[in-house]
Formats: sequence, C-alpha cells, structure tokens
Amino acid sequence: AQSVTQPDIHITVSEGASLELRCNYSYGATPYLFWYVQSPGQGLQLLLKYFSGDTLVQGIKGFEAEFKRSQSSFNLRKPSVHWSDAAEYFCAVGPLPTGGGNKLTFGTGTQLKVEL
Amino acid sequence: DAGVTQSPTHLIKTRGQHVTLRCSPISGHKSVSWYQQVLGQGPQFIFQYYEKEERGRGNFPDRFSARQFPNYSSELNVNALLLGDSALYLCASSLEFGGGGPQYFGPGTRLTVL
Repeated sequence: AQSVTQPDIHITVSEGASLELRCNYSYGATPYLFWYVQSPGQGLQLLLKYFSGDTLVQGIKGFEAEFKRSQSSFNLRKPSVHWSDAAEYFCAVGPLPTGGGNKLTFGTGTQLKVEL
Repeated sequence: DAGVTQSPTHLIKTRGQHVTLRCSPISGHKSVSWYQQVLGQGPQFIFQYYEKEERGRGNFPDRFSARQFPNYSSELNVNALLLGDSALYLCASSLEFGGGGPQYFGPGTRLTVL
C-alpha cells in the first residue's frame, strides 16, 4: 500500500528565512504528487502538483517542490517565508498515472510557525 | 466561480444518532470525494463518486454511505454515530475521474459526537 511520511511534525522559522518541508513516499512507481496547505478553520488549498517531466515544480504563493526519484522524496521549499505562511502543510500521493480514480493518500502534516 | 461548498459548517450529535453532510462541487466538476480528518492527522479517503456511481471506497465501516445526485452534488451519511466519528469531514471535487486531476477541497463540516 502506498504511504506518505512527513518526518517533521512542527517547524518554526523566522520571517524572511528559507523553508524546506520534507516528504517521502512509498510506492512501486512514481505516482502523482501534491502539496496542500490548510489554514485554521479552512479546507485544503492546492499549492502545487507533480505529474511528470521537469522535477522542479512551481506553485502558488512562491512555493516550489523538487521531485527526487532516487530518494522517493518531494520536498517543498520557499526562499523567503512570510508570516502569512503559518499553517499546516500536507504532502499527498495520488494514484499511478496508469490507475484510476483521484484518491489521495496524505501524510500526517507539518505545522509551520513563523516568528516575526 | 464558487468553490466547493459544504453544509452544515458545524454539527453536534450524540452517540447512536445519524448524520447527513452535504457537498456541492465546483461547477462543471463531475467527481466528488469525501475525506475524514481527525484532529492531528491528515485526511483519510472515504469515498469517491463519479457520474452518480461509487468509484472508490476507503477502509471505513458500512455505517458510512454516500450518494451523488444528477447535479453532481453529494451527501455523506453516517449511521450509529460513535465518539470516534468526531472529525472534520472534507469534500473535494475534480473535473473528471482519474488522469491525475487535482482535487479542490471545501471548508469542511466539523462533526462533534458526544
């Protein structure tokens, strides 16, 4: 069964500092990969997605993620964090491109705190 | 265009009761999925419906059921509520079934079971 690991439960960074959130997945092949953000009391907002091709993916709000097949990783990065980025971030794995459906398997999330 | 909408926003029930949650997908989206998010965890997949048919089911008991209507809106029903059913229930819509299409989530319904 596919699984997603987000090893960092909480991360605190200073405003203006760079950010990297880690995500590793376990799957027999390369599935669809996603990053979502959830602010308190709100649903999940899609930041970016990877299907194939260029391993560096650009998303909204200045976020990017790099897919590394050899490490089964899909880490999220941002060069300069803003206080409004404080939220919970979820990495998710979708089905294989040859499979059907849209079922997402989520990691347990990383809570980001931004210090002013 | 409006995003995914869910109702009600909050709900309080007692053990053994039944609950119905509602979801309206983004206009033009034909697929609706339901997820359960327990506090401190990531969302867990419950169901996916496409063109009014169940096309995927997660590891949830038969107390959980759902349906999709001709206008693509959906209901999630949970019978014989347990304390452990307390969670945020998220609905997500996607344009089509499969193909890696991203899912867009609603704000969720917060269910508390006492």
